[in-house]
Amino acid sequence: NAGVMQNPRHLVRRRGQEARLRCSPMKGHSHVYWYRQLPEEGLKFMVYLQKENIIDESGMPKERFSAEFPKEGPSILRIQQVVRGDSAAYFCASSPLMGDPVDEQYFGPGTRLTVT
Amino acid sequence: GESVGLHLPTLSVQEGDNSIINCAYSNSASDYFIWYKQESGKGPQFIIDIRSNMDKRQGQRVTVLLNKTVKHLSLQIAATQPGDSAVYFCAEGGSNDYKLSFGAGTTVTVRA
Repeated sequence: NAGVMQNPRHLVRRRGQEARLRCSPMKGHSHVYWYRQLPEEGLKFMVYLQKENIIDESGMPKERFSAEFPKEGPSILRIQQVVRGDSAAYFCASSPLMGDPVDEQYFGPGTRLTVT
Repeated sequence: GESVGLHLPTLSVQEGDNSIINCAYSNSASDYFIWYKQESGKGPQFIIDIRSNMDKRQGQRVTVLLNKTVKHLSLQIAATQPGDSAVYFCAEGGSNDYKLSFGAGTTVTVRA
């Protein structure tokens, strides 16, 4: 079984450009989470999506960042007009269900974004 | 927000010895705790989890202990191997709360 897939693995963008990060959840999983990891830090929650729905984007910066999880295709995290501070590793996780208590989240290998 | 913190950012262990990684959490509402292992260039890998209605759980070579009184979590690795070298994160969540809060991580280095 393929795990969570993310691409690209490494992405270099100049300041002001757009970055698009893709995440394909594990087969059978319909819940996707995006986390950001700055150097030497733990992961920070950004957004939680289900198919065609943003459930919680409380961890997303108010500007320039957006996420979607369309009915068909991967989830996409989009960063417009990137700045140096956006340089980080972005991880996607998926889970089969959200229940009580929270189900295990499986993480992808991450996309390392470097803004020059 | 409240955070999950780890004691000791680095841990050096002799191969074959046991490792103990500690974690302090501050959100008393958290009732689900997970340990993840992250190797260089990879995503976090699930190791073991524990619910708040338990104080100990064992896996293969790993044991997680939860002390809710002092809000402390630990991961014990038996007979540490070179492949155990990685950054270890504790994460917490709550019932009906899918957001995991991660600590900063402890880097474990295994000496041959």
